[in-house]
Amino acid sequence: SSELTQDPAVSVALGQTVRITCQGDSLRSYHASWYQQKPGQAPVLVIYGKDNRPSGIPDRFSGSGSGNTASLTIAGAQAEDEADYYCNSRDSNPHHVLFGGGTKVTVL
Amino acid sequence: QVQLQESGPGLVKPSETLSLTCTVSGDSVSSADYYWSWIRQPPGKGLEYVGHIYSGGSTNYNPSLRSRVTMSLDTPKNQFSLKLTSVTAADTAVYYCARQRPFYYGSGTYSDWFDPWGQGNLVTVSS
Repeated sequence: SSELTQDPAVSVALGQTVRITCQGDSLRSYHASWYQQKPGQAPVLVIYGKDNRPSGIPDRFSGSGSGNTASLTIAGAQAEDEADYYCNSRDSNPHHVLFGGGTKVTVL
Repeated sequence: QVQLQESGPGLVKPSETLSLTCTVSGDSVSSADYYWSWIRQPPGKGLEYVGHIYSGGSTNYNPSLRSRVTMSLDTPKNQFSLKLTSVTAADTAVYYCARQRPFYYGSGTYSDWFDPWGQGNLVTVSS
């Protein structure tokens, strides 16, 4: 069985850049997607298939991946970007989806 | 615009069965491009994949819940449902339904994404 590891929390100064990582062996053959969740709200897709941005998501959000690590970058973080961010992948059973433990992003 | 809406009781007694329904608008649960999924989130914790159902009724469940989970489709009503038996306090969570897009890039590379999500239904297991 695989796991996805995320840093529990990161902080970023307003307007600066922050990168959130997601690590796991499954990412060697899987393109992660990323979700933003604000308190009391459902998650929202912000990056899919490693580096694609859904319509309506600001272009300050970008995704990348290499080896066993996927990354979400917020360039020029805004106050409204303060949220929990989750990645997802699949376990060795190709139909068993995994989520990372989440990273809480604080904008200072 | 695709929308999903969960419905069901907010309180279930221990050892009983949790039942939730997700109503889909703007898409069809018969679509061949998507899975229809359930994801849960215990209070203050992260996301846990419960499983999905695909048009035609094929299912895939989280191995940790497989013995207690059943999902079904109601195509005429454009709904899908979740049943979780023998619940305990550990099953207390916000339950989300979501549309899941599986994608195969070739050469053994996959991806999945969940979009959109329902607003969530808090289910508390308590006597």
